[in-house]
Amino acid sequence: GAGVSQTPSNKVTEKGKYVELRCDPISGHTALYWYRQSLGQGPEFLIYFQGTGAADDSGLPNDRFFAVRPEGSVSTLKIQRTERGDSAVYLCASSLTLGIGANVLTFGAGSRLTVL
Amino acid sequence: EDQVTQSPEALRLQEGESSSLNCSYTVSGLRGLFWYRQDPGKGPEFLFTLYSAGEEKEKERLKATLTKKESFLHITAPKPEDSATYLCAVQGSNDYKLSFGAGTTVTVRA
Repeated sequence: GAGVSQTPSNKVTEKGKYVELRCDPISGHTALYWYRQSLGQGPEFLIYFQGTGAADDSGLPNDRFFAVRPEGSVSTLKIQRTERGDSAVYLCASSLTLGIGANVLTFGAGSRLTVL
Repeated sequence: EDQVTQSPEALRLQEGESSSLNCSYTVSGLRGLFWYRQDPGKGPEFLFTLYSAGEEKEKERLKATLTKKESFLHITAPKPEDSATYLCAVQGSNDYKLSFGAGTTVTVRA
């Protein structure tokens, strides 16, 4: 597609529920990133993929968070047993193949998660 | 660990009143320093990448500069449409993720 698409744009859930957030990157972009942004803060890195594999998942806060990208395109961020502290905007970004130079990330509009 | 500190947190300007935003960083080898603009309810939008000290880039009323320890985003004769949060991020030489600062929220009054 023309840009990075994220669904849903808004998700309200109850504490303890399971949530899935979807990201559809720009066509041809092999690298895909997930970030989390709390109110008044900058984006916080969670995980990135090169192709189908997670190249760096050091930002995932705990084992309730998991992400997949089975075919190297669409990715899903999965959050189990949600907690109120998980409330934030979850941003997805994609970029061209990781190379020697700095790679520009193109972001989606985000999925706003509210845990009641 | 890469660190990025932006100042001020917020900046209120009169239309036409030029100013600068600061981004101080520490990184293990700089692959690139990025500036993004973020409007409320939207994702960050790419503005510039700077690669080495002394480099400058311009886009309309915005000019970004880079030293070995900090970057500045200069806004010349701003207009109300320049109101946004401006985010700075760094990418280290051993890494492909971006580490972001908390941003500077700029409000330009007509």
